[in-house]
Amino acid sequence: AQSVAQPEDQVNVAEGNPLTVKCTYSVSGNPYLFWYVQYPNRGLQFLLKYITGDNLVKGSYGFEAEFNKSQTSFHLKKPSALVSDSALYFCAVRDMGTTGFQKLVFGTGTRLLVSP
Amino acid sequence: DAGVIQSPRHEVTEMGQEVTLRCKPISGHNSLFWYRQTMMRGLELLIYFNNNVPIDDSGMPEDRFSAKMPNASFSTLKIQPSEPRDSAVYFCASSPRDTQYFGPGTRLTVL
Repeated sequence: AQSVAQPEDQVNVAEGNPLTVKCTYSVSGNPYLFWYVQYPNRGLQFLLKYITGDNLVKGSYGFEAEFNKSQTSFHLKKPSALVSDSALYFCAVRDMGTTGFQKLVFGTGTRLLVSP
Repeated sequence: DAGVIQSPRHEVTEMGQEVTLRCKPISGHNSLFWYRQTMMRGLELLIYFNNNVPIDDSGMPEDRFSAKMPNASFSTLKIQPSEPRDSAVYFCASSPRDTQYFGPGTRLTVL
């Protein structure tokens, strides 16, 4: 089965500094990888996805993610963090499973806290 | 587009009562997913549909939970009877292919 792991429960960064939220994956075949963000009392919002092509994927709100096949990683990055980036971030991988239909398998989430 | 619509946004009920959560997916999306989120268990996939047909309900916790999708624009998740441990935020998401788009969720509190 496809899976992703988010090794950090929480990441703390000061406003203006670069941020990285880590994700590693375990898949058979080519991975379809996603990042979502959840603000308090809101649903998950799609940020970006990697299917094929450039290893650096750009997404919403200035976020980008780097796909690294040799390290089986898909880390989320932003050059300069904002206090408003404080939220819960989920990595996910597409899983066709035994049904042949697509679903997403989510990681456990990483809470990002950006301090002023 | 209005996005995925869920109702009610908040529901408070007493143990033993029936609860029905509703979802309207984004028009044109052929897959619909129901999730539950709690602090203890995180985000759990309960059931998903493709073209209104249930594909996998292995995440439904008990027989007290049931879900239907009578047409492409409406789905319900029902809990009967409800229990305090069902208290959670329930999300509906729809998808045209691989990317899922989530609704705002229904916060359910069972007293």
